[in-house]
Amino acid sequence: EAQVTQNPRYLITVTGKKLTVTCSQNMNHEYMSWYRQDPGLGLRQIYYSMNVEVTDKGDVPEGYKVSRKEKRNFPLILESPSPNQTSLYFCASSLSHRNEQFFGPGTRLTVL
Amino acid sequence: GDSVTQMEGPVTLSEEAFLTINCTYTATGYPSLFWYVQYPGEGLQLLLKATKADDKGSNKGFEATYRKETTSFHLEKGSVQVSDSAVYFCALITLGGSSNTGKLIFGQGTTLQVKP
Repeated sequence: EAQVTQNPRYLITVTGKKLTVTCSQNMNHEYMSWYRQDPGLGLRQIYYSMNVEVTDKGDVPEGYKVSRKEKRNFPLILESPSPNQTSLYFCASSLSHRNEQFFGPGTRLTVL
Repeated sequence: GDSVTQMEGPVTLSEEAFLTINCTYTATGYPSLFWYVQYPGEGLQLLLKATKADDKGSNKGFEATYRKETTSFHLEKGSVQVSDSAVYFCALITLGGSSNTGKLIFGQGTTLQVKP
């Protein structure tokens, strides 16, 4: 089944404790992206990747890192999480930046 | 910058009623337009898309037509069901110009509640 998977689905952590949210797609898509969804602010792009080893900042990249060493994986790294990063995070992928994006199930992160 | 504006919700309808959710956009390039749906506790699912003016996207009884002259992409369904209760997002990707990043720009979402 073609899909985007994220892990973990739920995470509660404390300020400053480094964490990684994994994202993987099995559709051989070139383009991958991370969004966060917050009440009243909607969905905003954090980082995106046009292809392997090519990543760039979205609208809200502060406090996040990403890497794209393989085509299928695009992990989101929070080196020192803070409470304002409490949010619902979505990974997405598409054939290219011109095509419709397919979303993972989401990761609900709470930073205490 | 590019933006999407949706009608505010919640929208509450009885089963079998006609649904319209309005969506208008502002874009400097040549956008592709999408409707996504988010069921409670789930991720976003692509509902339908249109990539050029006058295209009609359709899926699961939902339709939307890309109207360049009115910069609109209204979502319609002739007869809603309780199972259609969800949040609906209109979105665009601008192609061309300086915004050629693949970023999806979303509207704020419209909550639809369908009562039996």
